[in-house]
Amino acid sequence: DSGVTQTPKHLITATGQRVTLRCSPRSGDLSVYWYQQSLDQGLQFLIQYYNGEERAKGNILERFSAQQFPDLHSELNLSSLELGDSALYFCASSPRGGNTEAFFGQGTRLTVV
Amino acid sequence: DQQVKQNSPSLSVQEGRISILNCDYTNSMFDYFLWYKKYPAEGPTFLISISSIKDKNEDGRFTVFLNKSAKHLSLHIVPSQPGDSAVYFCAASGAGTASKLTFGTGTRLQVTL
Repeated sequence: DSGVTQTPKHLITATGQRVTLRCSPRSGDLSVYWYQQSLDQGLQFLIQYYNGEERAKGNILERFSAQQFPDLHSELNLSSLELGDSALYFCASSPRGGNTEAFFGQGTRLTVV
Repeated sequence: DQQVKQNSPSLSVQEGRISILNCDYTNSMFDYFLWYKKYPAEGPTFLISISSIKDKNEDGRFTVFLNKSAKHLSLHIVPSQPGDSAVYFCAASGAGTASKLTFGTGTRLQVTL
């Protein structure tokens, strides 16, 4: 158990809908990352938050947004969903950001039908 | 632009032998390198890391070697065990709180009996 909790584990929704994925980082970790993995491909970085502020952005679509709350949990919002958004979405946390290992949650499998 | 590359998508090794997984990077700003292991439908699990000030780090059966001049790192697993069969990702980051982990595309290791 990495200490990072993601909910829900599975999500099935229709095209055009909006979903929210939730992540609770390890206790004490200030940095939260979101990654997308499609069809057993690599891990694509989406966005990073550090202590409530956005710190780095990857190839995140404009239809996607995220935030980190004062209690350090984070949510990833995906809207106007398309079939191609079906993927595993991973959250990871680390104590401070760079030069340290990040610990991953079990992921949320999103299926858009 | 793939800044972290794992050129071997798969590797098969006999049980008891050494597994060597390779990774190349292009960004000279990276100064921290990590290896993760991933089983299907699970989150990546941190294995071992190395700072750019070192050229070797060992943890049990796992050793990571870093060659900064060649921008190359490798993971050695000795002896390989069937339970090591998984996808291995190398990752790299720079310093600072805004530094994300950039992942390679992964190498699928199969350890055969």
